[in-house]
Amino acid sequence: EIVLTQSPGTLSLSPGERATLSCRASQSVSSSNLVWYQQKPGQAPRLLIYGASSRATGIPDRFSGSGSGTDFTLTISRLEPEDFAVYYCQHYGNSVWTFGQGTKVEIK
Amino acid sequence: EVQLVESGGGLVQPGGSLRLSCATSGFTFTTYSLTWVRQAPGKGLEWVSYISSSSSTIYYADSVKGRFTISRDNAKNSMNLQMNSLRAEDTAVYYCATWTRYSGSYFFDYWGQGTLVTVSS
Repeated sequence: EIVLTQSPGTLSLSPGERATLSCRASQSVSSSNLVWYQQKPGQAPRLLIYGASSRATGIPDRFSGSGSGTDFTLTISRLEPEDFAVYYCQHYGNSVWTFGQGTKVEIK
Repeated sequence: EVQLVESGGGLVQPGGSLRLSCATSGFTFTTYSLTWVRQAPGKGLEWVSYISSSSSTIYYADSVKGRFTISRDNAKNSMNLQMNSLRAEDTAVYYCATWTRYSGSYFFDYWGQGTLVTVSS
C-alpha cells in the first residue's frame, strides 16, 4: 500500500510569501492520480490540483503543482489571506485511496 | 448548482449502528461514482468506501470492511452508509463526495458539508 508523506507539518509564512509544500510517495505513482486539496476549518475539502499539475476550475493561477514518480510539490506563489489552510495530497491506485497527513499553512 | 447533503450522524454507543445518507442534486447522479471520506476530530482525511455509478463495483477501506455497507438509490439520487459494530475510532465527520474521471485523471470533485458521528458510552 502506498503511503504519502507530506512535509513540513506546519508552514509559518506571511501574506505575499511563497509556499512550497511537499508530498512524497512510498513508491512511484502515476502523476495522473496525484491530487491536491485545500481544507479550511469547519469546511469540506476543496479540489485544487489534479493530475499533479492541472488546476481545477476556478482555482487561481498562484496555485501550481508539479512532480513525478515519488516527489510532488504544491506551490502557492504569493500567499493571500484566504490561502491559510490545511493542504492534503491524495493518490488513487489499485482500488485504494490514500491521503497524506496534511500540511498546515499558518500566518506567521 | 451541485449539492451533496449528508444526514444521519449522531451519538451512538460502541457496538451500535447508524445509517448515514447523502442526498444529491444538480448533477446527473447516475453517471457518477460516489465515495465516503471521514475525518476524525483534529486529524486528517481517510477514505472509507466507494460505489460505482451502477453499484456494480464497491470497495471498502480495511478499517471498516465487514462492518460498513455502502449503497445507492439511483431513482432517489441518494447514497447510504450502513455502519454496524461501531467503535470509538469510527468517531469522525463523514463526507460524501463524487469521484470523477476527467482527462485521464481521477479526483474527488464535489463534497458535502459532512455529518458528525460520535461513538461513545
